[in-house]
Amino acid sequence: LAKTTQPISMDSYEGQEVNITCSHNNIATNDYITWYQQFPSQGPRFIIQGYKTKVTNEVASLFIPADRKSSTLSLPRVSLSDTAVYYCLVGDTMDSSYKLIFGSGTRLLVRP
Amino acid sequence: NAGVTQTPKFQVLKTGQSMTLQCAQDMNHNSMYWYRQDPGMGLRLIYYSASEGTTDKGEVPNGYNVSRLNKREFSLRLESAAPSQTSVYFCASSDEGHPEADTQYFGPGTRLTVL
Repeated sequence: LAKTTQPISMDSYEGQEVNITCSHNNIATNDYITWYQQFPSQGPRFIIQGYKTKVTNEVASLFIPADRKSSTLSLPRVSLSDTAVYYCLVGDTMDSSYKLIFGSGTRLLVRP
Repeated sequence: NAGVTQTPKFQVLKTGQSMTLQCAQDMNHNSMYWYRQDPGMGLRLIYYSASEGTTDKGEVPNGYNVSRLNKREFSLRLESAAPSQTSVYFCASSDEGHPEADTQYFGPGTRLTVL
């Protein structure tokens, strides 16, 4: 059962770099690690996805160590608009079917 | 491109009433999903459909039924609503058909209250 563990909440200030770490000790060989962002009253939005080492796009970086048992989402120079809930996802197998499982997420509050 | 659309946006039901939540996507995606999100919680998968004509149970399927009407549409039905089904319901779709690396696109949600 591949579950993820994230901090419940984090605080930061505008302009700082924020790193959110996710633990996924039972990640399967084929699993990718995906991060989503959710604003209040909206559906989640894809941020970044990776399998190993480092992935970077226009909004974030994702660091995955060699053992893949954890991953770190890095948000450079956050702004007030980055206040949201961030979810780390890996897969899970139920009844021989593969599913993506959302945990409780990390509530990031960015202060002025 | 509207992406993923859901109707209705809000609904209030009495215990025992039935209703169908509608979802449509215009991205020609193979897979579609229904989630529920309770206050302060993460999303939980109710049902999903990997392709037209197939459906599969998620974490919390009890009390729900689904229909993959065609490639675009995936509906969620509550046959006899209960207060425990008060939640926000999100529909999502994805393209690759490989859930290990899926990128899901979410609709705006339906806020359902069961009295």
